Amino acid sequence: QVRLQESGPGLGKASETLSLTCNVSGGSIRNYYWSWIRQSAGKGLEWIGRIHSSGSTDYSPSLKGRVAMSVDTSNNQFYLRLISVTAADTAVYYCARNLPRGHDGLDVWGQGTTVTVSS
Amino acid sequence: SYNLSQPPSVSVSPGQTARISCSGNKLGDKYACWYQQKPGQSPVLVIYGDNKRPSGIPERFSGSNSGNTATLTIRGTQATDEADYYCQAWDGNTVVFGGGTNLAVL
Repeated sequence: QVRLQESGPGLGKASETLSLTCNVSGGSIRNYYWSWIRQSAGKGLEWIGRIHSSGSTDYSPSLKGRVAMSVDTSNNQFYLRLISVTAADTAVYYCARNLPRGHDGLDVWGQGTTVTVSS
Repeated sequence: SYNLSQPPSVSVSPGQTARISCSGNKLGDKYACWYQQKPGQSPVLVIYGDNKRPSGIPERFSGSNSGNTATLTIRGTQATDEADYYCQAWDGNTVVFGGGTNLAVL
């Protein structure tokens, strides 16, 4: 059974770069799209973007220009970088697997990692 | 940008049928998915491809999608179904979530 685990610094400073890792275990990262999603306290889900194991990416228009994703298939990990963070980027960040059919749901989610951006 | 609208809250009595709607322009032309999120937990996919249930999701959960509206139906609602529910669809190559609906089982 595929499991996802997010990791990264829980605290960051405004204007700096946020870097998170999602480790995929119990299955291969290959031939899937993988997404990052975040949720601010008491708010709804916000999709950040996705990356295919081949390296192809799609990003949310609202974050495009500040976000970059990468993948390491040899280590079964993918990554999120968010530059020039502000307090508005404080949230729980989730990684998730996209269903293989495409343009469908996200079937496996990590437990989430909390990121707080301080000024 | 594409928007999905959900009612902020829905209430249902135990054992009754709960229906949560999700509206978007020509949503019926896309796949609609639904997630359940309980406090402090990660979202769980309960419906994908409009009306398919992942393994382990009870049969009382069902979905439909036509025209501009997708609907999540929970029959025989239980106290354990109390949660936030989010619909999701794609706009081109980007994911869009609805704002979420809090289901109260009273």
